[in-house]
Amino acid sequence: DADVTQTPRNRITKTGKRIMLECSQTKGHDRMYWYRQDPGLGLRLIYYSFDVKDINKGEISDGYSVSRQAQAKFSLSLESAIPNQTALYFCATSDADRPSTDTQYFGPGTRLTVL
Amino acid sequence: LAKTTQPISMDSYEGQEVNITCSHNNIATNDYITWYQQFPSQGPRFIIQGYKTKVTNEVASLFIPADRKSSTLSLPRVSLSDTAVYYCLVTRDDKIIFGKGTRLHILP
Repeated sequence: DADVTQTPRNRITKTGKRIMLECSQTKGHDRMYWYRQDPGLGLRLIYYSFDVKDINKGEISDGYSVSRQAQAKFSLSLESAIPNQTALYFCATSDADRPSTDTQYFGPGTRLTVL
Repeated sequence: LAKTTQPISMDSYEGQEVNITCSHNNIATNDYITWYQQFPSQGPRFIIQGYKTKVTNEVASLFIPADRKSSTLSLPRVSLSDTAVYYCLVTRDDKIIFGKGTRLHILP
C-alpha cells in the first residue's frame, strides 16, 4: 500500500550494529504497529502505538525499541543486532476506534539480514 | 485471546470455489473474526471481517455458525492470482494476533 512506506526496503548488517527501520504513513491514522515475519511463520507483533504519546510492547519486544516521532512516523530500532533478528519487518497502520474491528494497512516490508 | 487453527496448506484448481475453515473454540463474546491475504514479499491485506452469520463483499464470503467456534472463508471461482497465504484472526479490543495461516496454491 503506497500510503504506508518503509525505509530501507533491504538491509544487510553485522552483529552488534545499531539499526533503525523507519515507517511513514499518509493515511492520517493514529495507530501504528511493527511486526516481524520469519520464513514459513505468521506475523508476530513487536511494538504498537495508539497515538503519539502511547507505546506498547507486543509479544516479542526484547531486543527492540521504538520511537513515535509524529502521528505519521514510527521507527523501530535494533540497538545491537543479532543474527536471529534476520527477518522481514512490516509496519502497519489503522484508525479503528475499536481494535476488535480493526483493519490494518501494511507497508511493503523491510528485509533485514544480520550477519 | 482465542487461538485459531487452520489448515497449513490447500491446493485447488482455477475456477473452483475454495473454502478455508478456521476453528476458534475459545472465542469470546466481544471478539470479531477477520481474514487477511498475503502475497510473497508483501504485507498482508484485509479481506473480510464478521461477527456472526454471513458477510459478503466483492472478494469473498465469510460464514460464521451460531456458536461462532469456527468460520469459513469462501473464495468464489479462484484464479492463479489467488495463490497466497490466508490468515484467520480473532480480534479483540486490545489484541490482534496472526497465526501461521493457510498457504493456498491454485493450479491451472
